Amino acid sequence: GEDVEQSLFLSVREGDSSVINCTYTDSSSTYLYWYKQEPGAGLQLLTYIFSNMDMKQDQRLTVLLNKKDKHLSLRIADTQTGDSAIYFCAEILDQTGANNLFFGTGTRLTVIP
Amino acid sequence: GAGVSQSPSNKVTEKGKDVELRCDPISGHTALYWYRQSLGQGLEFLIYFQGNSAPDKSGLPSDRFSAERTGGSVSTLTIQRTQQEDSAVYLCASSFGTGGYGYTFGSGTRLTVV
Repeated sequence: GEDVEQSLFLSVREGDSSVINCTYTDSSSTYLYWYKQEPGAGLQLLTYIFSNMDMKQDQRLTVLLNKKDKHLSLRIADTQTGDSAIYFCAEILDQTGANNLFFGTGTRLTVIP
Repeated sequence: GAGVSQSPSNKVTEKGKDVELRCDPISGHTALYWYRQSLGQGLEFLIYFQGNSAPDKSGLPSDRFSAERTGGSVSTLTIQRTQQEDSAVYLCASSFGTGGYGYTFGSGTRLTVV
């Protein structure tokens, strides 16, 4: 299946860390992604991780992948007001032949000044 | 252009009318995708074009929806006899090859059917 689940809302105080969680159902996913969507804009690729990795760090962003539990998380350190947006996780399934991404419902992150 | 361009950015149409949404992908990107984002929901895959292969239309919600890609570049998504439930943001994305490094999205077309 291609169900990707996320919690809908997350609020954090400016300067704190944010952790956005995602679960997926297809263990054969080869790539997993995090996208950010600001109001009125398209989706911006934040980062991605290959399925053979456990962790990837990119400046304030840390991605953790637990393949056994099919759990993906995005940690944003020192969260800023500019981080307020909707965050989507997505998986790509090679065997479909279509290479299309399956997205979660998105988590709306609100950063409180 | 430097990014994926979609037009129009906003479209208001009357129920029952046909609409055409346009997507200009990044030059050289062989794959092009259409997604629909309804209010409060995630992204729904609609259709995928890869090079000269037959498109994957498995996500189109009804036969009122169709899309074409001319010359392996510009794509048009057509919705015939629009219904209120078609109101959504329609997003186009393109990628190079298999898309393993992610897709580049346009800003979308916000369609409102009244």
